[in-house]
Amino acid sequence: AQSVTQLGSHVSVSEGALVLLRCNYSSSVPPYLFWYVQYPNQGLQLLLKYTSAATLVKGINGFEAEFKKSETSFHLTKPSAHMSDAAEYFCAVSEGSGNQFYFGTGTSLTVIP
Amino acid sequence: DAGVIQSPRHEVTEMGQEVTLRCKPISGHDYLFWYRQTMMRGLELLIYFNNNVPIDDSGMPEDRFSAKMPNASFSTLKIQPSEPRDSAVYFCASSLAGGETQETQYFGPGTRLLVL
Repeated sequence: AQSVTQLGSHVSVSEGALVLLRCNYSSSVPPYLFWYVQYPNQGLQLLLKYTSAATLVKGINGFEAEFKKSETSFHLTKPSAHMSDAAEYFCAVSEGSGNQFYFGTGTSLTVIP
Repeated sequence: DAGVIQSPRHEVTEMGQEVTLRCKPISGHDYLFWYRQTMMRGLELLIYFNNNVPIDDSGMPEDRFSAKMPNASFSTLKIQPSEPRDSAVYFCASSLAGGETQETQYFGPGTRLLVL
């Protein structure tokens, strides 16, 4: 069975500081992994995805994530937080059968000026 | 492409009324998903279709909820009768089984439903 765990429902960082949002997954087959961002009152927007190519994936807005099979992790990072990064972030896993996703519970990122 | 289109964007109704939410997926996509998002339960998958056929509706909360996809470009989610606990944001998403963007779900802007 697939599942996603996002550690920390709320994360606060200072503007300019490193952003680290954690995601661990469980999957019986090589997974597809995704990070989505949701700004207030908007739908989910794809940040980046891992589909068994390079383990370090670069996404939009300066975000990147590294797939670590040994740790079953796919943590999201950004070197320097910007005020506009304040949003809800969701990690998701898919095993590719039926395109069904399993989403984490989300992490709310606050950026402190 | 216009992306996934949902209507209405906001709906306020009274308990007991029928509510119909609409979704137009991205042209050419063969999967369509309906999600519900609440503060208490987060993002929940309600049902998904492949080539207009419902594949898994195990997430539909109860018989008051029904979903249809009469053709590749249109789907509805109906709640009858509606209850206050159905208040949530309902998202539609679509994806393509193959190609460069396979496995990526594209989300609509959502319908914010309030049942009084």
